Order: sequence, then structure tokens, then C-alpha cells
Amino acid sequence: KNQVEQSPQSLIILEGKNCTLQCNYTVSPFSNLRWYKQDTGRGPVSLTIMTFSENTKSNGRYTATLDADTKQSSLHITASQLSDSASYICVVISMDSSYKLIFGSGTRLLVRP
Amino acid sequence: EAGVTQFPSHSVIEKGQTVTLRCDPISGHDNLYWYRRVMGKEIKFLLHFVKESKQDESGMPNNRFLAERTGGTYSTLKVQPAELEDSGVYFCASSQDRWTGVHFGNGTRLTVT
Repeated sequence: KNQVEQSPQSLIILEGKNCTLQCNYTVSPFSNLRWYKQDTGRGPVSLTIMTFSENTKSNGRYTATLDADTKQSSLHITASQLSDSASYICVVISMDSSYKLIFGSGTRLLVRP
Repeated sequence: EAGVTQFPSHSVIEKGQTVTLRCDPISGHDNLYWYRRVMGKEIKFLLHFVKESKQDESGMPNNRFLAERTGGTYSTLKVQPAELEDSGVYFCASSQDRWTGVHFGNGTRLTVT
């Protein structure tokens, strides 16, 4: 069964600190992996898209890594800001489900001043 | 460029009533998807349109749900009759193709009482 597991479920950090969110998946065959940020009451917004051959991709203070062999990904947030408080969702697309996104349950991040 | 817009943002209806959700995708996006999040669980796929054709409707929970995309522009998702377990947030998304980003609307929060 295609699944995407994320950890931790929730995380509280102080402003300015770094943090790393984890994602493990069992989706096969793999096409690409995406990290989304979802603010409360809003739709998910794409942060990064990574294909099989990509190990690292950055978007500002966000850096995603992918290990396709172990089927693990991480999202590292550097120098956190209050506006980073949101849910971060790992999404995987399988090669054989043309457009179907398989969502993790997300990590809820709270950045405190 | 206008994003994906959904209407209404909130809907509260009684069990047994009918509700119709609307989605306007980004102009030029042939691919339109419906997803939903229920009971605090992960977001799950409902169906996928390519222009006016249903490409994949494997995620539709039962025949109380009917999605249409007449003319290949906006889409509607009708729930008739609504049940308590239909409560959740319904997201619409669109994309140009499978390799580009999938853009989400802010969702419609449906509450069935």
C-alpha cells in the first residue's frame, strides 16, 4: 500500500532556531516528492519538487533532501521565523498514478518568539 | 495570475441536504483535481479531470458525490444527500501537466450537522 509517514506530528521551536522534519514513504514506483506548506485556513503551497535523481533542493531558508534508496526525505528550515508556523506536508507521486498526490499527515510547526 | 479559487469558503448544512462546491482553476490549466481532508486525517485524492473528461475518479467515496467540469473550465462537486461523515475540507487544485507544480485553492470547509 502506498503510504507517506511524517515525523514529528508537531514541533515547537524558538524563533531563529533551525529544525528538521522527516518523511518516509513506501510509494512505488516513485516519480517525485514534494514538500508543501499549509497555513491555517489556506491551501497547501509548494516549497520544493524533487525527482529520483535529485538529492538536495533549496528554496530560500528551506532545504529538502531525498534518499531514494532508503525512501526518506527531510525538510530543513534555517533561522526560523514566526511566519514559518504552519503545517508542512510531504507528498509523493507514484509513476503509475499519473496525477494522484499521496499526502502525509503533516508536521505542525509552531515558532515562538 | 489569479490562483485557484473555491466557493464557498464555508458551508454548514443539515444531514440529507445537498451542497454544491465550485472550483475555478488557474486559466490554461487542463488538469483539475479534487481532494479532501476529513476528521483531521491526511488529505486524500477524490478525482482528476483533464479538460472536461474524468481521468481518474477512484477516490470518490460513493455515488452521493458527483463531479462535473462542463466545457473544461470550472468544476463543481455535488454531495447529495450529505451525511455527517462528509464533513471536512474540500480542496481543488490545478496544474498544466504532471511535471509542473500543482496549485491548490484555499478549500471549502463543509460541516454537516
